[in-house]
Amino acid sequence: QVQLQQWGAGLLKPSETLSLTCAVYGGSFSGYYWSWIRQPPGKGLEWIGDINHGGSTIYNSSLKSRVTISIDTSKNQYTLKMTAVTAADTAVYYCARGRALAVITARFDPWGQGALVTVSS
Amino acid sequence: EIVLTQSPGTLSLSPGERATLSCRASQSVSRSYLNWYQQKPGQAPRLLIYGASSRATGIPDRFSGSGSGTDFTLTISRLEPEDIAVYYCQQYGSSPTFGQGTKVEIK
Repeated sequence: QVQLQQWGAGLLKPSETLSLTCAVYGGSFSGYYWSWIRQPPGKGLEWIGDINHGGSTIYNSSLKSRVTISIDTSKNQYTLKMTAVTAADTAVYYCARGRALAVITARFDPWGQGALVTVSS
Repeated sequence: EIVLTQSPGTLSLSPGERATLSCRASQSVSRSYLNWYQQKPGQAPRLLIYGASSRATGIPDRFSGSGSGTDFTLTISRLEPEDIAVYYCQQYGSSPTFGQGTKVEIK
């Protein structure tokens, strides 16, 4: 059974860089895209971006200029970095397994536990 | 970007009643890429339905999905108290997006 565990700094000041890491336990790491999704308090879900085992990425166009997703296949981990954060980036950030490379359907499953990141001066 | 619009915003029903949640897309979505999630307070979303109509592992058969093109539906045949949650539809095209959610509450 695949499990995702995530961690990172929870309190940032404006203009700092957000950094979160997600570790994947169990299952295939190479056969999927791995995703980041966020949810501002009391609001809906926003996809941030995906990365695959080979390091190919795709980002939400609205965040692309500030976001980098990287992968460490030796540790089955991937990392989100977001630069120049503002209060608008305050949210619960989730990692999730994304689309499979060899399956026609595509979904986010399973999800990590979530990490609240607060941006405040 | 494909915009998903869910209705109603809130659904108030009694236990045992049928819940019908709608998701309308701004352009056609492949059935293979239309999913539904359940989110309870303080928890991560959980996959309910993928490929528009396939139940995820462990999901009770009172949950079902249907639809095609731009109109999709999630149905809860007999509402249970533990179904109280926010439900999101999601499309996984080249740029994934989520609907704004439907909150299901007990009347």
